[in-house]
Amino acid sequence: NAGVTQTPKFQVLKTGQSMTLQCAQDMNHNSMYWYRQDPGMGLRLIYYSASEGTTDKGEVPNGYNVSRLNKREFSLRLESAAPSQTSVYFCASSEALLGWESYEQYFGPGTRLTVT
Amino acid sequence: AQSVAQPEDQVNVAEGNPLTVKCTYSVSGNPYLFWYVQYPNRGLQFLLKYITGDNLVKGSYGFEAEFNKSQTSFHLKKPSALVSDSALYFCAVRAVTSGTYKYIFGTGTRLKVLA
Repeated sequence: NAGVTQTPKFQVLKTGQSMTLQCAQDMNHNSMYWYRQDPGMGLRLIYYSASEGTTDKGEVPNGYNVSRLNKREFSLRLESAAPSQTSVYFCASSEALLGWESYEQYFGPGTRLTVT
Repeated sequence: AQSVAQPEDQVNVAEGNPLTVKCTYSVSGNPYLFWYVQYPNRGLQFLLKYITGDNLVKGSYGFEAEFNKSQTSFHLKKPSALVSDSALYFCAVRAVTSGTYKYIFGTGTRLKVLA
């Protein structure tokens, strides 16, 4: 049971290049999330998927796109990378987001991205 | 606007002393509150949560948190700190805005436990 896995662990891009960050979870969770973590700003939500087949914008979606490929996988794409997107990216999942119950999130190990 | 505040960037405490990491929130409706811990070069790990019921919630690694509705606070506590507790701690709340649910995280508090 690997939990939440992310690839790659590290990446260096030049301005204007594109890339996709991969995320997979094996806990049969319905909801998945992408965050970025910057010093002094904590975690900011980029996009989330409350359930398979749905995606919604979070706090900082500009410059990113996502795909919920199936229940397990949720990818984040940078179409034209900019230095402002240098950050650590975390994928997370939770059993659910909607409803009266509230579930904790499980986080992947992160991807450290540098855009030069 | 709905928000979470962690007023201290860093908290220093001597090993064996009690520790408190502060969190206040501003959300409409009943808050669902969480604490997470992040060790260097790792993802966040869940510590504990408050949904309803007893205001004192116990979690992993001997941590507990007290929900105070009147002060809109959810402070993290531990009776006796360990050097291994040194890490970055995040408070989070699940909020609802116009029928949309989301989690809001604080900016984090770095805890340093000194031997």
